[in-house]
Amino acid sequence: AQSVSQHNHHVILSEAASLELGCNYSYGGTVNLFWYVQYPGQHLQLLLKYFSGDPLVKGIKGFEAEFIKSKFSFNLRKPSVQWSDTAEYFCAVKSTGRRALTFGSGTRLQVQP
Amino acid sequence: GEEVAQTPKHLVRGEGQKAKLYCAPIKGHSYVFWYQQVLKNEFKFLISFQNENVFDETGMPKERFSAKCLPNSPCSLEIQATKLEDSAVYFCASSPRTVNTEAFFGQGTRLTVV
Repeated sequence: AQSVSQHNHHVILSEAASLELGCNYSYGGTVNLFWYVQYPGQHLQLLLKYFSGDPLVKGIKGFEAEFIKSKFSFNLRKPSVQWSDTAEYFCAVKSTGRRALTFGSGTRLQVQP
Repeated sequence: GEEVAQTPKHLVRGEGQKAKLYCAPIKGHSYVFWYQQVLKNEFKFLISFQNENVFDETGMPKERFSAKCLPNSPCSLEIQATKLEDSAVYFCASSPRTVNTEAFFGQGTRLTVV
């Protein structure tokens, strides 16, 4: 069965620190990959997505992610976080064989001013 | 519309009561998905529709949960005889197709069973 692992459950950083959140998935075929952010009390917003092509994708708010097929990974990065980045981050995968998204368990990011 | 509209935003039900949640997908989107998020943790997939047809219901607890997407009406998710464990935020998402596209999420309905 398809699964998504996010290794960091809770990350605390100071403003201006660099961020990398890990995401690994288990599926050998073609996948669509996503990172969503959920600010406190709000719905999911798409940060970035990967369908094909350049494995380094850039999203909104200065976020980027790199798809490494050999490692089944899609890690999220940001060179310098801000207090406003405090939120829950979810990695999600959609395979061609399954229409719905499979989500990771989420990473809570807390940025301290 | 240009966004997925979910109603109500909050719903409180006593144990054993019925709960009905609604979702209006973005106009032109053929696919609708329902997810359950308990305690801000993982999103559990419940059911999906392609227009009014059930596409995938592998996540649906069939004893008390049912869902419909009828033409010219919002989609609905109904829980008969709610239990405390049904307390969660229920998100609806829609997409124009199933691959190479993102899913657009609604604001969610927070169901509290007391």
